[in-house]
Amino acid sequence: QSALTQPPSASGSPGQSVTISCTGTSSDVGGENYVSWYQHHPGKGPKLMIYEVSKRPSGIPDRFSGSKSGNTASLTVSGLQADDEAVYYCSSNAGGNNLVFGGGTKLTVL
Amino acid sequence: QVQLVESGGGLVKPGGSLRLSCAASGFTFSRYYMGWIRQAPGRGPEWVSHIGYDGTDIIKSDSLKGRFTISRDNAKNSLFLQMNSLRADDTAIYYCARARGSHAFDFWGQGTMVTVSS
Repeated sequence: QSALTQPPSASGSPGQSVTISCTGTSSDVGGENYVSWYQHHPGKGPKLMIYEVSKRPSGIPDRFSGSKSGNTASLTVSGLQADDEAVYYCSSNAGGNNLVFGGGTKLTVL
Repeated sequence: QVQLVESGGGLVKPGGSLRLSCAASGFTFSRYYMGWIRQAPGRGPEWVSHIGYDGTDIIKSDSLKGRFTISRDNAKNSLFLQMNSLRADDTAIYYCARARGSHAFDFWGQGTMVTVSS
């Protein structure tokens, strides 16, 4: 069982928006501003999409956005495209130098 | 472009040891913290360890209880993970990754599979 809770699946049609949640506790998501999101396509290494709750690395389109409220962080993917279909993982600092991940959400583009 | 290529995975018996390697290219290796993350079948990723620029700053997951040791060789642009006293629940894909600060990883390798079984 992963430290952070994500829904196992999410879906949307091309062009729509979808939001994936990541719920932790006040010891991790709620108490830190170090939430990250990763996109994982099968057979490849995960790709950093969001760091520090809402920042995008260079090259990541602004269709991907992150936010946080209390103990829950969220990743929103707008203007869904076929290539967005992947598993998305959240992670958070959990006090000190400990880092925890969620169990992953499989995003399906219908 | 940034490339990270892991090697050294395979099948090992419980109680055995294995040393994973990660060859880095496309960036100035010595200027980045690096880390290992693993992912057991059907589960989310699990952070294993971080190492600082010159190898003196090492941060480990408490759950591994000292069985795993991270190291690096900046002259060879290489990262290592020495794994001892392996157990069945260490079975996972092991990823090498470049750290962005101490809270995120901005580039990952494709991983190397470690299977612990008799």
